[in-house]
Amino acid sequence: KQEVTQIPAALSVPEGENLVLNCSFTDSAIYNLQWFRQDPGKGLTSLLLIQSSQREQTSGRLNASLDKSSGRSTLYIAASQPGDSATYLCATQKYGNKLVFGAGTILRVKS
Amino acid sequence: GAGVSQSPSNKVTEKGKDVELRCDPISGHTALYWYRQSLGQGLEFLIYFQGNSAPDKSGLPSDRFSAERTGGSVSTLTIQRTQQEDSAVYLCASSLPPGSTSTDTQYFGPGTRLTVL
Repeated sequence: KQEVTQIPAALSVPEGENLVLNCSFTDSAIYNLQWFRQDPGKGLTSLLLIQSSQREQTSGRLNASLDKSSGRSTLYIAASQPGDSATYLCATQKYGNKLVFGAGTILRVKS
Repeated sequence: GAGVSQSPSNKVTEKGKDVELRCDPISGHTALYWYRQSLGQGLEFLIYFQGNSAPDKSGLPSDRFSAERTGGSVSTLTIQRTQQEDSAVYLCASSLPPGSTSTDTQYFGPGTRLTVL
């Protein structure tokens, strides 16, 4: 059974700082790994999806890496802004199957 | 087109009552998922529909939970004889068939917040 762990559980940083969120998973036989953002009282917004054959994906100030063999992924946020404050969720997926989520990292960027 | 929509956005019910939650997926998305997000449990999978295939019900927590998808589009999640532990946010997501594009992103609706008193 896949287990996804996210560290840290919460993070508070000053505006402008670069930061890294960590995700680890126990079953490396995944089809893809996705990072989502969730704002309070809202649904999930997909940020980045990394296929199992890929090593990283970039979108703007976000960069996600994947090391499938070691069961790890990181989400790097450059030059953080208060608008980045949200809960960040990592999820793995097998082919055509459900997402298995981590518990999330609550990020607060202080202005 | 429009994203995934869910209704109602909030539902308060009394213990023992039945509730129905609705999900309208993105047009053309053949895959539809239900998840539940509750305090202390995180986000957990409930049920998955893919086209005309038999649904994957492996995540349903009890036989009080059921879901159907009519015409390959709208889905309804039904909870019978609700209990207080059913209180959670119920999220629906849809996607294109697996492997049909370069991305298998699931698009989530805003959720239905269920409170069982």
